[in-house]
Amino acid sequence: NAGVTQTPKFQVLKTGQSMTLQCAQDMNHEYMSWYRQDPGMGLRLIHYSVGAGITDQGEVPNGYNVSRSTTEDFPLRLLSAAPSQTSVYFCASRALTGGRLDTQYFGPGTRLTVL
Amino acid sequence: SQKIEQNSEALNIQEGKTATLTCNYTNYSPAYLQWYRQDPGRGPVFLLLIRENEKEKRKERLKVTFDTTLKQSLFHITASQPADSATYLCALDPLGGGYNKLIFGAGTRLAVHP
Repeated sequence: NAGVTQTPKFQVLKTGQSMTLQCAQDMNHEYMSWYRQDPGMGLRLIHYSVGAGITDQGEVPNGYNVSRSTTEDFPLRLLSAAPSQTSVYFCASRALTGGRLDTQYFGPGTRLTVL
Repeated sequence: SQKIEQNSEALNIQEGKTATLTCNYTNYSPAYLQWYRQDPGRGPVFLLLIRENEKEKRKERLKVTFDTTLKQSLFHITASQPADSATYLCALDPLGGGYNKLIFGAGTRLAVHP
């Protein structure tokens, strides 16, 4: 299993540009999430999905869109990049085992800089 | 407001000693508490999960305690090694089972010196 994969690893954008961060998992996990990590702060939840076709907002959703058309993929779209979105982005997935959420697995992260 | 706190200062210890990291929380009644390890430039890696009805959990050289009265979890690494140097994150799962809104602390950096 490759686990959770993310592309690209690094990205530089100009203010106002749009882009999509890719995330895929091969563990057939129902739950997937996007977090951002900023210096001195904990990981903050952006959006999450409890299954294909179902998404919901997390703590910091503004400026981001998600969709979940398959179990495997959960892309994060930045609609119009702003310098405040400079961060490291992590995708994660969890299985639902016996009615309870199991261990969360994180991808390697995408480091995004918005100029 | 809901809050989860970890020591922001790095913890420096000598190899072979026990490292103890603290996670304090307010305004939660967490169902689960998790600990993760994060190395520079990498994603967090799950280490241990402890449930609200468990006082202590062990895995090899790792031990986690969970005191819901004090609203605190302690994470211990015994016989620490330089390879244990990393940032350790705690995360609360306020509702457990069916929800996916983990709340993370900022992490504590551990440096184990030979």
